[in-house]
Amino acid sequence: KQEVTQIPAALSVPEGENLVLNCSFTDSAIYNLQWFRQDPGKGLTSLLLIQSSQREQTSGRLNASLDKSSGRSTLYIAASQPGDSATYLCAITDSWGKLQFGAGTQVVVTP
Amino acid sequence: NAGVTQTPKFQVLKTGQSMTLQCAQDMNHEYMSWYRQDPGMGLRLIHYSVGAGITDQGEVPNGYNVSRSTTEDFPLRLLSAAPSQTSVYFCASRSGLAGAYEQYFGPGTRLTVT
Repeated sequence: KQEVTQIPAALSVPEGENLVLNCSFTDSAIYNLQWFRQDPGKGLTSLLLIQSSQREQTSGRLNASLDKSSGRSTLYIAASQPGDSATYLCAITDSWGKLQFGAGTQVVVTP
Repeated sequence: NAGVTQTPKFQVLKTGQSMTLQCAQDMNHEYMSWYRQDPGMGLRLIHYSVGAGITDQGEVPNGYNVSRSTTEDFPLRLLSAAPSQTSVYFCASRSGLAGAYEQYFGPGTRLTVT
């Protein structure tokens, strides 16, 4: 059974520092990996989608890498801002098309 | 496009009551699904549908029913509410069946069962 783990569970950084969020998974048979952002009391917003054949995806200050062989993905957020404070979730789409989520990393960026 | 919409936003039920959580999408997506989110456990799949008339169970289906009579709507029914069903419920949709496409989520329904 696929297990998706996000460490750390919480992270606090001063404004301007780069953020590094980790996601690991146990089964490399995946369709893709998706990173989401969730603000308190809100739904999930998709940030980046990496197909299984890709190594990374970039959007603005966000960069996500994927290493299927080691079962890892990393989300980098450059030059963090207080508006980046949120919970970040990674999710694997498995070979059946179902999403399996990690528990998330709660990020606080202090001014 | 409104995207994925859910109603109600908040609901309080007594144990044993039944209710239906509504979900609709206007993107003509074939694949729709329901998740529940509990603290420290991430999101878990309850039921999903690959098209009108076709539904299947996810990881935690007990106590819930679904149907898909149209492409747009995918309601989730709680048959007899229990305190263990207190959670935040999210509906999601995507255009492809094979999993290669981005998932879009609704804003969620926060349910409390007393």
